[in-house]
Amino acid sequence: GEDVEQSLFLSVREGDSSVINCTYTDSSSTYLYWYKQEPGAGLQLLTYIFSNMDMKQDQRLTVLLNKKDKHLSLRIADTQTGDSAIYFCAERRTGRRALTFGSGTRLQVQP
Amino acid sequence: EAQVTQNPRYLITVTGKKLTVTCSQNMNHEYMSWYRQDPGLGLRQIYYSMNVEVTDKGDVPEGYKVSRKEKRNFPLILESPSPNQTSLYFCASRQQGAHNSPLHFGNGTRLTVT
Repeated sequence: GEDVEQSLFLSVREGDSSVINCTYTDSSSTYLYWYKQEPGAGLQLLTYIFSNMDMKQDQRLTVLLNKKDKHLSLRIADTQTGDSAIYFCAERRTGRRALTFGSGTRLQVQP
Repeated sequence: EAQVTQNPRYLITVTGKKLTVTCSQNMNHEYMSWYRQDPGLGLRQIYYSMNVEVTDKGDVPEGYKVSRKEKRNFPLILESPSPNQTSLYFCASRQQGAHNSPLHFGNGTRLTVT
């Protein structure tokens, strides 16, 4: 995960918006993903964005991609306690079958 | 229900004692993969398989073997486990050929090697 960087921890209050940030290094990445991991479970795909897009919205989730700065963010509107989890950013690089994952951001939602 | 099933969920073993972690998927996916998750390192790919009898090394293959004799199963084999293989392991699968097809993950196997 050293090529994909995320902050380790984020704490927000219930009802606020959460913004989880990710930076990646490979400008040839084709798809970028956000996965959610709840305690004791595997990773679940939340959303993804193709590299020729700037923004993608899916209900409470908004993904922003800044290709120039190689910066990806995930915004969760009206954050709920059920959103508490670890969020992983991942990139798929051209010519590679494996995803490269960040080290994950633990989101804690306080009531 | 579409799922990836790993067994066991928890395993404690001793150095050098061969073990196998099983993985099975019921979605007819061609692509299967094993990852290990370690604190601060995210997920790193161990091995992957594009289809039956086709396997390839990922980023951290040392100390591991895999086999893909049937499409649904992709076991991970540790011939001689060592303490540095203590980790949380995930099996995943996806449909091959579609770059945006999501990886489906199992619930993980927590392995401790003493």
